[in-house]
Amino acid sequence: DAGVTQSPTHLIKTRGQQVTLRCSPKSGHDTVSWYQQALGQGPQFIFQYYEEEERQRGNFPDRFSGHQFPNYSSELNVNALLLGDSALYLCASSPGTGAGGQYFGPGTRLTVT
Amino acid sequence: GESVGLHLPTLSVQEGDNSIINCAYSNSASDYFIWYKQESGKGPQFIIDIRSNMDKRQGQRVTVLLNKTVKHLSLQIAATQPGDSAVYFCAETRDYNQGGKLIFGQGTELSVKP
Repeated sequence: DAGVTQSPTHLIKTRGQQVTLRCSPKSGHDTVSWYQQALGQGPQFIFQYYEEEERQRGNFPDRFSGHQFPNYSSELNVNALLLGDSALYLCASSPGTGAGGQYFGPGTRLTVT
Repeated sequence: GESVGLHLPTLSVQEGDNSIINCAYSNSASDYFIWYKQESGKGPQFIIDIRSNMDKRQGQRVTVLLNKTVKHLSLQIAATQPGDSAVYFCAETRDYNQGGKLIFGQGTELSVKP
């Protein structure tokens, strides 16, 4: 049973560029949440997708956007990258209803230069 | 605002000893509290959760205690092993069974000495 997978593992971008990160949820899960984890900090909630719509959103600017596809996979897009966007981006999946618990992927390490 | 914080940023223990990692939270409306373990280069790994109407829950070598009076959460690891070395985060959430957002603390780094 595959867990949560994310791609790419690492990437380096330049200030002002745009980036797309991808996530495939754990089998049987239909809800995907995205978190940003700065070095030495706990993850911070960005947003959550369920039934292809954004269901919850954290305190992140509109430069951060996402999408969920019919197969429940998801993308995180960040526009106009800033140096401060450098972080580990984590995807977590969970069942939309019923038993709780969010399961995390290994993350994508984004470096903005 | 909402926050979950940890009392100790680092903890060093001898192999075989018991470890206790503490956490304070401020949101009384949370319905679940969860402990995650994060090893270097990996995503957080679920350890154990506890519902807000409980005060203790045990798993394999781990016990979580919840004191709602003082808004305090702790994770006890019995017979700590080198493989337990990692950063431990507590998190709180509402609407746990609907995949509610997790609010994490800063983390405690556990180092196990052989």
